[in-house]
Amino acid sequence: QITLKESGPTLVKPTQTLTLTCTFSGFSLTTSGVGVGWIRQPPGKPLEWLALIYWNADNRYSPSLKSRLTITKDSSKHQVVLTMTNMDPVDTATYYCAHSPYDILNGYYFDYWGQGTLVTVSS
Amino acid sequence: QSALTQPASVSGSPGQSITISCTGTSSDIGGYNYVSWYRQHPGKAPKLMIYAVTNRPSGLSNRFSGSKSGNTASLTISGLQAEDEADYYCSSYTSSRTWVFGGGTKLTVL
Repeated sequence: QITLKESGPTLVKPTQTLTLTCTFSGFSLTTSGVGVGWIRQPPGKPLEWLALIYWNADNRYSPSLKSRLTITKDSSKHQVVLTMTNMDPVDTATYYCAHSPYDILNGYYFDYWGQGTLVTVSS
Repeated sequence: QSALTQPASVSGSPGQSITISCTGTSSDIGGYNYVSWYRQHPGKAPKLMIYAVTNRPSGLSNRFSGSKSGNTASLTISGLQAEDEADYYCSSYTSSRTWVFGGGTKLTVL
């Protein structure tokens, strides 16, 4: 059974750096074709893809946020960490991590999601 | 990259069928058969409904089906039920080796 859970601060101040941790179980990030992604959703707004890291440490970032994001993994701890610098009130959102399998036939998608964590940016 | 275009809302009566469209470009939907759909109930995490354009996850009702033509993908829900009322999002892999989501569609079951 695959599960993921996000953790981190619920409140950050503008200009601060946000660090979120995704702790997962039921799969290994050393298995070929496995990735973990981050997606966020501001209150009342649509989903926005942020970043993804694969088993081989290949990482991808949203072009609009690339300069502010870093995604890393610790496979032994079953964790993926996302950092976002220079936080602004517009970054207030629920942040989700999700399992993303890949194979040439079925491609890319997010099949298991964490419950999400609401991060508020305010002074 | 711009978000994929979805209608803001659709509605249908119980038992009816509805279709939600998702329009992108040749750099995303049109270039790959890697379109996925997600359902999100209020306050809940999204749930995968369709992947690789037409595939349903194991155990998901066959009332849900997906298709694609050119740069537009579609999700069809047949035999509408009250539990189908939710927000639906499409997503696609892109030529930039990234992902993009749609703006979301609110489905109301009348």
